[in-house]
Amino acid sequence: DTGVSQDPRHKITKRGQNVTFRCDPISEHNRLYWYRQTLGQGPEFLTYFQNEAQLEKSRLLSDRFSAERPKGSFSTLEIQRTEQGDSAMYLCASSLEGFYLQFFGPGTRLTVL
Amino acid sequence: AQKITQTQPGMFVQEKEAVTLDCTYDTSDQSYGLFWYKQPSSGEMIFLIYQGSYDEQNATEGRYSLNFQKARKSANLVISASQLGDSAMYFCAMRERNSGAGSYQLTFGKGTKLSVIP
Repeated sequence: DTGVSQDPRHKITKRGQNVTFRCDPISEHNRLYWYRQTLGQGPEFLTYFQNEAQLEKSRLLSDRFSAERPKGSFSTLEIQRTEQGDSAMYLCASSLEGFYLQFFGPGTRLTVL
Repeated sequence: AQKITQTQPGMFVQEKEAVTLDCTYDTSDQSYGLFWYKQPSSGEMIFLIYQGSYDEQNATEGRYSLNFQKARKSANLVISASQLGDSAMYFCAMRERNSGAGSYQLTFGKGTKLSVIP
């Protein structure tokens, strides 16, 4: 399977714990995006990488959130001191520079108890 | 202000019939793109169709077509010959160029839940 993959698919955690999600984009794609989707809403942009550089962050990305993309390959999204409001589906997408189409992964569904 | 508006929270359609899902958008950019994605209960966003702001003809992809009315800022999705497998959430999204970082982040509407009735 050469699509975008995300791990884990589901994560249940207790409030106050830290969680980390991983996204593996399509191998030749140099652009990577993170989105968050809460219940009943469309996905909302969180952050964007071009290669290893994080070029844009949404105001939705509070100080408790950090994302990395070492070596411009896979990316991780970490949430520290999780809150119940962080419960959502976290979607990763990738695209090739110069092409408009973003390919999405299956998402990681986070539940904070 | 909402950039993408989908006014139909839910729609029902009889199998084999056509259905139109509404989408209006708001942008001051001259260059932008409009997308429709399908999201089944599994959660993955599946790309359906794309329309660029400079495309003069409406986009078509198999049973999907996009009714693009630029002056009215609408980009409705038409699904012909509905199938049971079309039951899902459908999201309209817009790509605008962010001149600061050069990204092409997508802005999504709230979605329409389509249910196909046998």
